[in-house]
Amino acid sequence: QVQLVQSGAEVKKPGASVKVSCKASGYIFTSYDIHWVRQATGQGLEWMGGMNPNTGNTGCAQKFQGRVTMTRNTSISTAYMELSSLRSEDTAVYYCARVGGPTYDWGQGTLVSVSS
Amino acid sequence: EIVMTQSPATLSVSPGGRATLSCNTSQSVSSNLAWFQQKPGQAPRLLIFGASTRATGIPARFSGSGSGTEFTLTISSLQSEDFAVYYCQQYNNWPLYTFGQGTKLEIK
Repeated sequence: QVQLVQSGAEVKKPGASVKVSCKASGYIFTSYDIHWVRQATGQGLEWMGGMNPNTGNTGCAQKFQGRVTMTRNTSISTAYMELSSLRSEDTAVYYCARVGGPTYDWGQGTLVSVSS
Repeated sequence: EIVMTQSPATLSVSPGGRATLSCNTSQSVSSNLAWFQQKPGQAPRLLIFGASTRATGIPARFSGSGSGTEFTLTISSLQSEDFAVYYCQQYNNWPLYTFGQGTKLEIK
């Protein structure tokens, strides 16, 4: 079955960077986009960006331009999202999702806490 | 960037009743709109894509309509498990997607 397994919780200081991984299994990794969505406690969903794992093409929300980098390693079916210049407002659960037409499968989420 | 506006922010409906949720976009997204349901502590679940097509396994009491800039999610005969937060998302311009701010559907 399709699984997206994300890396564990992170605690970072303001100004630091965090890199979250998303390991896919149960399907052909390069056949579906990987998107990243975050959710602060008690808040709504915030779409961050997406990547075509086949081509490596990416796009992100204006809010995150210059701060987010999405990459992948196709040999191990893993996508990565790196967020730099962290601030307290970046404290949230970060989800990866397999996206394609009627398909939307989610990772379990990774809690990133930013605190001095 | 396309701005999504959902209304109302909170909707109170009795079990067995009908809920109508709205989603407007700042510019046309054709039919490239999806609806998600999210319950506390869970990842979102895709309900509707293409504005009106139910995802696999979604009950027929969930229906979506609209195109362009105005969209509606209707849930008829509300069940206890339907009380949750609902989000719309546009995906008109790959990969620049956007979520609405959500509508909380609560028990009246």
